[in-house]
Amino acid sequence: TQLLEQSPQFLSIQEGENLTVYCNSSSVFSSLQWYRQEPGEGPVLLVTVVTGGEVKKLKRLTFQFGDARKDSSLHITAAQPGDTGLYLCAGEHGQNFVFGPGTRLSVLP
Amino acid sequence: NAGVTQTPKFQVLKTGQSMTLQCAQDMNHEYMSWYRQDPGMGLRLIHYSVGAGITDQGEVPNGYNVSRSTTEDFPLRLLSAAPSQTSVYFCASSRSYRVPEAFFGQGTRLTVV
Repeated sequence: TQLLEQSPQFLSIQEGENLTVYCNSSSVFSSLQWYRQEPGEGPVLLVTVVTGGEVKKLKRLTFQFGDARKDSSLHITAAQPGDTGLYLCAGEHGQNFVFGPGTRLSVLP
Repeated sequence: NAGVTQTPKFQVLKTGQSMTLQCAQDMNHEYMSWYRQDPGMGLRLIHYSVGAGITDQGEVPNGYNVSRSTTEDFPLRLLSAAPSQTSVYFCASSRSYRVPEAFFGQGTRLTVV
């Protein structure tokens, strides 16, 4: 059983569409991170959310941390082919970090 | 900016062979870690280090050894490679375990035949 679950596992959409992906847990996290990973590369940090209910925006990406700090969502507005990649959420667990299995997003031109 | 450097990028091993995956960071980060990434499994922690001279096991440590003699380097040793160790390996570093933002290397794709 994974500490962090992500949904959907796969998502294929057309350019210009909006989408939301989710990261859920039964545990409380002091913070959650979102990473994007492109093929053949390591994950790259997008954002950290710390406060319950917090909303952070990064251009067309909007990240929200749940009030209870157990879940988070990533919303992409007007998706572009450059948004294609694997989106991973991660959280602190003791002295290390755990990752969700990821949502693989494909944005078709 | 080098960041986190992993070598080699690709490697093919025969069952039973040993090898060392190298990882170096130039950001003076205290915390370093090794993950393996398999389809549908996400990133699973193998070993981690909160500082030079200190290492600990993660979720999937069997078959792997690590050491941290310097702040910069954190090599991962495969003692006797098995096909189940075929995976993509990532090294990551962060300022400390209290600072969750991690920087990743480009990965090593390992195939054990």
